[in-house]
Amino acid sequence: NAGVTQTPKFRVLKTGQSMTLLCAQDMNHEYMYWYRQDPGMGLRLIHYSVGEGTTAKGEVPDGYNVSRLKKQNFLLGLESAAPSQTSVYFCASSDGTGGGYTFGSGTRLTVV
Amino acid sequence: AQSVTQLDSQVPVFEEAPVELRCNYSSSVSVYLFWYVQYPNQGLQLLLKYLSGSTLVKGINGFEAEFNKSQTSFHLRKPSVHISDTAEYFCAVSYTGTASKLTFGTGTRLQVTL
Repeated sequence: NAGVTQTPKFRVLKTGQSMTLLCAQDMNHEYMYWYRQDPGMGLRLIHYSVGEGTTAKGEVPDGYNVSRLKKQNFLLGLESAAPSQTSVYFCASSDGTGGGYTFGSGTRLTVV
Repeated sequence: AQSVTQLDSQVPVFEEAPVELRCNYSSSVSVYLFWYVQYPNQGLQLLLKYLSGSTLVKGINGFEAEFNKSQTSFHLRKPSVHISDTAEYFCAVSYTGTASKLTFGTGTRLQVTL
């Protein structure tokens, strides 16, 4: 079982460039989430989705967009990358029953 | 606003000694509580969770946590740690009616030495 798969695992971007991070889950979960992890700040929620075709803002949504066109995929986009977006990004999914998340292995993004 | 406080950013401990990692959350009527572990350069793995019932929760790798509603705490404990327990530990809370969103603490780095 693959669980939650994130691609790519590493990426270096120049300021102003755009990119899309892909998250795919094979557990038929309704809920999916994007977090960023920064030293000393824990994980902060960027955007989330409660089902196919839905998205909502989290704690730190500025500079990011998301789409959930298919239930199994949740895409995170950076339209114009900034150095402040250098971080490790984690995708997660849940069945919505409150039992916790399944996390992907993360994407380490550096913006220079 | 929902919040989780992990009081210690780093906890050094000798192997085979007991350890307690502290976690407090902002009060609410109904919460779900979690501890996750993150090994270097890896994702987060669920250690244990409290949803309801017994306030003492046992998890993987010999860890346990106790839910204390009056003190709004969910401290993680292990009676005897091993070198392999060296990792970052995150406490998280989910409040009912919030689409199962987790709010995380800032993490505690457990460093186990010989």
